[in-house]
Amino acid sequence: NAGVTQTPKFRILKIGQSMTLQCTQDMNHNYMYWYRQDPGMGLKLIYYSVGAGITDKGEVPNGYNVSRSTTEDFPLRLELAAPSQTSVYFCATLQELNYGYTFGSGTRLTVV
Amino acid sequence: EDQVTQSPEALRLQEGESSSLNCSYTVSGLRGLFWYRQDPGKGPEFLFTLYSAGEEKEKERLKATLTKKESFLHITAPKPEDSATYLCAVLVTGGSYIPTFGRGTSLIVHP
Repeated sequence: NAGVTQTPKFRILKIGQSMTLQCTQDMNHNYMYWYRQDPGMGLKLIYYSVGAGITDKGEVPNGYNVSRSTTEDFPLRLELAAPSQTSVYFCATLQELNYGYTFGSGTRLTVV
Repeated sequence: EDQVTQSPEALRLQEGESSSLNCSYTVSGLRGLFWYRQDPGKGPEFLFTLYSAGEEKEKERLKATLTKKESFLHITAPKPEDSATYLCAVLVTGGSYIPTFGRGTSLIVHP
């Protein structure tokens, strides 16, 4: 049982490049989230989804896009990368029974 | 506005020296309060969910308690392997399932 799988684990982008961070879950959870975590700043919500075909903005959505075509996958797209997007990105799902959130292992992104 | 404040930001303990981490919250209505452990370079790992004032949960050397304004994570006789960042989050009633996270307490336990 893999839980939440994120790829890649590390990536270096040049300013203006684009990339997609992948997130896949095998727990059949409806709710999925994308967070970024900067040192000393806690977790900031970028986008979330309440089910396939339904997504909504979080606290810091600018510069990002998401899609949710299946229950399992919730990719995060960065267009025109900027140094301010240097961060660690976490994907998470919600177990609605006990509100337990399961996080992936993260993607460390550096934009230079 | 829902707020979650964790204190202290950092805590250094000697092995065996018990202590507590604090999570104070201001919300319109509490659906649940969560504690997570995060090791360097990894995602947060779920520890506990507390639902109502007076509730307590335990796991090994950790015990979480909840009042109407705050939660404590008590660490009894900690070991070096307890070193991590501990995150608190709250989920409010109504609306969608969007938790509000605190900034965490970084705990270091020296042998």
